[in-house]
Amino acid sequence: QVQLVESGGGVVQPGGSLRLSCAASGFSFNDFGMHWVRQAPGKGLEWVAFIRFDGRIRNYADSVKGRFTVSRDNSKNTLYLQMASLRAEDTAVYYCAKERISTVRGVISSVYFDYWGQGTLVSVSS
Amino acid sequence: DIQMTQSPSSLSASVGDRVTITCRASQSISSYLNWYLQKPGKAPKLLIYAASSVQSGVPSRFSGSGSGTDFTLTISSLQPEDFATYYCQQSYSTPYSFGLGTQLEIK
Repeated sequence: QVQLVESGGGVVQPGGSLRLSCAASGFSFNDFGMHWVRQAPGKGLEWVAFIRFDGRIRNYADSVKGRFTVSRDNSKNTLYLQMASLRAEDTAVYYCAKERISTVRGVISSVYFDYWGQGTLVSVSS
Repeated sequence: DIQMTQSPSSLSASVGDRVTITCRASQSISSYLNWYLQKPGKAPKLLIYAASSVQSGVPSRFSGSGSGTDFTLTISSLQPEDFATYYCQQSYSTPYSFGLGTQLEIK
């Protein structure tokens, strides 16, 4: 069965760095795009970043652009999020999510996240 | 960026009730609309994708409709396990924005 397991969260000082990992199993990792989504304490969901199946396309939320880098190692079935210049407002549970694309008669009809990890907490505090 | 407006923000209902949650996009998103359920301390779970397709394993009491800018999630007969927070999400263009959520509580 599909499993996504995040790790690497913790407490970090403002301005610091952290690297999150998401270990994937149960599916052909190199065939699917992957996303990071975060949730600040008591708040809603915020999409953070996307990386295409081959790593050649990456997109970021404006709030993290230039500070966060998404990458993947398909040989290790692992997704990463390198976070730098961390701010208090980056405090959140970070989820990785597997992308799935639906098609109707060969035309893309939607993109959605069919599996999520359990999340890892990042706390930015002095 | 596309903004997603979800309503209501909270809702009290009883087991057996029919419940509808709405989501409006700031521009047309065709059918690129998904619904997720989240329980406290847990990861979100996909319910509906492409506006009206029910994810495998999701009970048939859940349904979705809409296209363009206006969408609805309907639960035909609430069960105790349905009390949670519901989010809509557009996947038409990045950033893939979510609504602020609807917290469904037991009356």
